[in-house]
Amino acid sequence: GENVEQHPSTLSVQEGDSAVIKCTYSDSASNYFPWYKQELGKRPQLIIDIRSNVGEKKDQRIAVTLNKTAKHFSLHITETQPEDSAVYFCAASRGTYKYIFGTGTRLKVLA
Amino acid sequence: DVKVTQSSRYLVKRTGEKVFLECVQDMDHENMFWYRQDPGLGLRLIYFSYDVKMKEKGDIPEGYSVSREKKERFSLILESASTNQTSMYLCASSLIEPYRDRAGGYTFGSGTRLTVV
Repeated sequence: GENVEQHPSTLSVQEGDSAVIKCTYSDSASNYFPWYKQELGKRPQLIIDIRSNVGEKKDQRIAVTLNKTAKHFSLHITETQPEDSAVYFCAASRGTYKYIFGTGTRLKVLA
Repeated sequence: DVKVTQSSRYLVKRTGEKVFLECVQDMDHENMFWYRQDPGLGLRLIYFSYDVKMKEKGDIPEGYSVSREKKERFSLILESASTNQTSMYLCASSLIEPYRDRAGGYTFGSGTRLTVV
């Protein structure tokens, strides 16, 4: 069935370093790819998204890249800060209404 | 400005009890979803609804049912709670085509952590 694989499951980086989280999707019809950040005890919130007609999108320290041919998309966080510590979920659209989510990456930024 | 509200943050129920989890949204969204969040498994879709009284099974509907009598309210029902239903439950809502929403589609509630003993 359709799925989204997300790696790594945990990631520790030093403050100021970059972090990269990678996802692979299986449904070639997926055309929208959001990323959510979930801080401890809080609800997931959208941080960036990308549509299938775009290869890269950037918003300050956060960027997302998409390779449709390989069905890969990645989240890049530069100059990491302690407040970036959270669980990050990638997702891919499935049909009209739904998303399918990856299994999450717990990012720890070490001061 | 909480927009998706889940009635309980923490809930402890006994095995065999009938459990109701309530979710209310104030954004006039057509779609509403119930997800279950478990460590290492991410967010798995239990049920979703794209209109009042309409519902569709997600990936893990066994042991659950739902009710949507009003547009703003979507209830998840555990007919006979079991210990393997101990989990974090997240409600979400979206426009009929979520990717058309500039806010990115899904708005999540804060979650209900259910423990079945």
